[in-house]
Amino acid sequence: GAVVSQHPSWVICKSGTSVKIECRSLDFQATTMFWYRQFPKQSLMLMATSNEGSKATYEQGVEKDKFLINHASLTLSTLTVTSAHPEDSSFYICSASGRWPSSYEQYFGPGTRLTVT
Amino acid sequence: AQKVTQAQTEISVVEKEDVTLDCVYETRDTTYYLFWYKQPPSGELVFLIRRNSFDEQNEISGRYSWNFQKSTSSFNFTITASQVVDSAVYFCALRKETSGSRLTFGEGTQLTVNP
Repeated sequence: GAVVSQHPSWVICKSGTSVKIECRSLDFQATTMFWYRQFPKQSLMLMATSNEGSKATYEQGVEKDKFLINHASLTLSTLTVTSAHPEDSSFYICSASGRWPSSYEQYFGPGTRLTVT
Repeated sequence: AQKVTQAQTEISVVEKEDVTLDCVYETRDTTYYLFWYKQPPSGELVFLIRRNSFDEQNEISGRYSWNFQKSTSSFNFTITASQVVDSAVYFCALRKETSGSRLTFGEGTQLTVNP
């Protein structure tokens, strides 16, 4: 149980275009979803936290107009990188938390590798 | 504010050696959770252990063991008889007791086990 998927697993896009990454909880209801970004050889950096049906809460320094997060249902959250630039190239990881199996756990997706050319 | 420090950026050992990864944390909360995750080259985080602040018992799972000491705010991870497959980045993380709380990650330790 507690499986989280991400799609796509990798994506290459051209500078200036937008790209959408999906995060799904497959077998549980995710009341809270988190989006992280990880640059090579660095730790995970929390970008934003979203609760179902509410606007996302962004961490300091993260542009909310550039990284659009939608948590429209209890099983799906999306991250849209708008007008992507090469410096947005990174590994994006989502995690989900709900009342089951454990409200104390975050279950991580496999990540999406974004390359902006 | 919460903080997790993994002072060892990289560790390199030879197969079958024991290796300990250090984790020191800071928090003002009395109730909190500590985690260890493994991140192999594929990138997917693998959950290893969760420990709550009231449980200071050491834990052993196969070749893995964890030493939690509140007195020194440390939660160290030991791999016994390391194997090449243990090569990965290991992250220590901390979160509040409140459901849905964020995780605070350490910087990670790159472990390389050489044959």
